[in-house]
This record gives sequence, C-alpha cells and structure tokens, in this order.
Amino acid sequence: NAGVMQNPRHLVRRRGQEARLRCSPMKGHSHVYWYRQLPEEGLKFMVYLQKENIIDESGMPKERFSAEFPKEGPSILRIQQVVRGDSAAYFCASSPQHKGPYEQYFGPGTRLTVT
Amino acid sequence: DQQVKQNSPSLSVQEGRISILNCDYTNSMFDYFLWYKKYPAEGPTFLISISSIKDKNEDGRFTVFLNKSAKHLSLHIVPSQPGDSAVYFCAASGDKIIFGKGTRLHILP
Repeated sequence: NAGVMQNPRHLVRRRGQEARLRCSPMKGHSHVYWYRQLPEEGLKFMVYLQKENIIDESGMPKERFSAEFPKEGPSILRIQQVVRGDSAAYFCASSPQHKGPYEQYFGPGTRLTVT
Repeated sequence: DQQVKQNSPSLSVQEGRISILNCDYTNSMFDYFLWYKKYPAEGPTFLISISSIKDKNEDGRFTVFLNKSAKHLSLHIVPSQPGDSAVYFCAASGDKIIFGKGTRLHILP
C-alpha cells in the first residue's frame, strides 16, 4: 500500500541544466498536483493533471516549466535552463477525486538545489 | 493576494497545554477546509478536515472549529505533546486547494 512516491529526493543542477522530477501517485489515484515550497513560504500550487491531460496550470511559470502525466508511467515536472531562483522543495500530491470533499496525499518531496 | 492566511509564523506551547492555531480565509466559495502537518524533510500529511456545513469536527486530541461568518477556522490540540512540534498548514478547497504559509508549532518540555 505504497503512498505517493517522488524521485529523486535530492537533485543538484548547475545553472542552465534541465531538472526532471518524477511522481508516482497512490494506487487508484488519477489526479496529480504539483506544488513548490520556497524557504519560509507556504505551498504554492503549480499544476493539476489527470492522465494525459493538464487540467489547471495557472500556477506554472510561463517559461521553462512543463508538466505531463502520461498514460503509462509517472508524472514528470520538467524545468529547463534552471536558475538559482528555482531552488526549492517540489511536492507532488495525488487524490482519488477532485470534486466534493477530498484530501490530497503528498509525497516526500524533491529538494532541488541550483548551483 | 493571499486567500488563506496564517498570521502567526510560529507558536510555542508548554507540553500538556492546549495549542490553538488560527487561519483566516477570504473566499466565501470555499466549501471544505483541511489541516496538514509537516515535519522537516517530509511531505505534508493530512490531519483533519471540516466541511463548510459544519462548525466543529473532532478527532482524538485534534478539533477544528469553523466560523463561516468570520471566515475563520482554528485547530485545537489538547493536550499538546512533543511529537506535535511541526509546521501546520491550513488549506481551503474550492476549484483547487489553497494553502496558507504555515505556522511552526514548538512544544516546550
């Protein structure tokens, strides 16, 4: 009965490189959410996906960031040409539904450090 | 503009006493409210929730109160224990879940 899995747990990238963060939702969950937490800040919503569809990307920066949730495999958050300001903890959450009362279950996060 | 506000960045409470964490929201369309607890280097874990049609929900040592007219909710932990030391996030659900910035709770021995 595995929870939400994220890998890697820690990722170090130099400025200009690409970062790929992976998230496998809980079994039976078809809704995936990505959040970013900057130091001393709360959780900022980035994007909400269902299988093969981006439902809400209103929290995603317009450039360099993209997300996908393919039919098979984990959800991927991709950050191209990383900059120091991208250093943060990135959390993925999943839920079995999106309507009505529902809770999101979080993974352990990926800590991205850009040097 | 913050739709969910936790105005106290930190709170210290003596072990055995009551911890009260507060949260205010601005959007009257929110219909479900949640509290999450987060330890360092871990993801947030769901703690307790309340529907907007209720004003209180209790689960063991944890009780959440909702005052819709004031757009305010609070989490009461009694008695407070050392393992309760963590960051607590308030969240509100409409078409998406919006999180506050969190309150760091320190339980003092």
